[in-house]
Amino acid sequence: NAGVMQNPRHLVRRRGQEARLRCSPMKGHSHVYWYRQLPEEGLKFMVYLQKENIIDESGMPKERFSAEFPKEGPSILRIQQVVRGDSAAYFCASSDREAEAFFGQGTRLTVV
Amino acid sequence: GESVGLHLPTLSVQEGDNSIINCAYSNSASDYFIWYKQESGKGPQFIIDIRSNMDKRQGQRVTVLLNKTVKHLSLQIAATQPGDSAVYFCAENSGSARQLTFGSGTQLTVLP
Repeated sequence: NAGVMQNPRHLVRRRGQEARLRCSPMKGHSHVYWYRQLPEEGLKFMVYLQKENIIDESGMPKERFSAEFPKEGPSILRIQQVVRGDSAAYFCASSDREAEAFFGQGTRLTVV
Repeated sequence: GESVGLHLPTLSVQEGDNSIINCAYSNSASDYFIWYKQESGKGPQFIIDIRSNMDKRQGQRVTVLLNKTVKHLSLQIAATQPGDSAVYFCAENSGSARQLTFGSGTQLTVLP
């Protein structure tokens, strides 16, 4: 049973470009969470999704950020018009019940 | 606002000694707590969890203690090994909220 798979592991974008981060949850998991981690800080919740539904996006910036978890395929975190401050590690987690979430290896986004 | 915080940012222990990592939380409604281990360049790895109706839970070489009176959580690692060197995060989940709130982390260094 493969773990949570995130790709790419590293992503470099120029300011103003779009970043797309993908997350395939563990087999059988229908809940997906995205977190952001700045250097030497803890993880900050961004969004919680179930298939085709955004359940809680209270941690998402109001502009430029969006997330989806379609019926088929991975969950996508999309950042439009990236800025330097978006540089961070973005982690996806999945679960099949409340709170016991397993994390992927993360995508490290660098905006140049 | 509500937060989960750690007492010490760094901890160094001799190989073979026991380690104790502490965490304070402020949300009295928190009912589920998790400790994660994060190695450099990797995602958080689940170590052990505890629900608020318990005050102690043991795993393999690890023990989590919960003191609800003073809102304090600790992780004890027995016979610390070099492979235990990592950043350790406590996280909490309260009530119906599905997302985890993370502390800022403690860097554990195991000395030879």
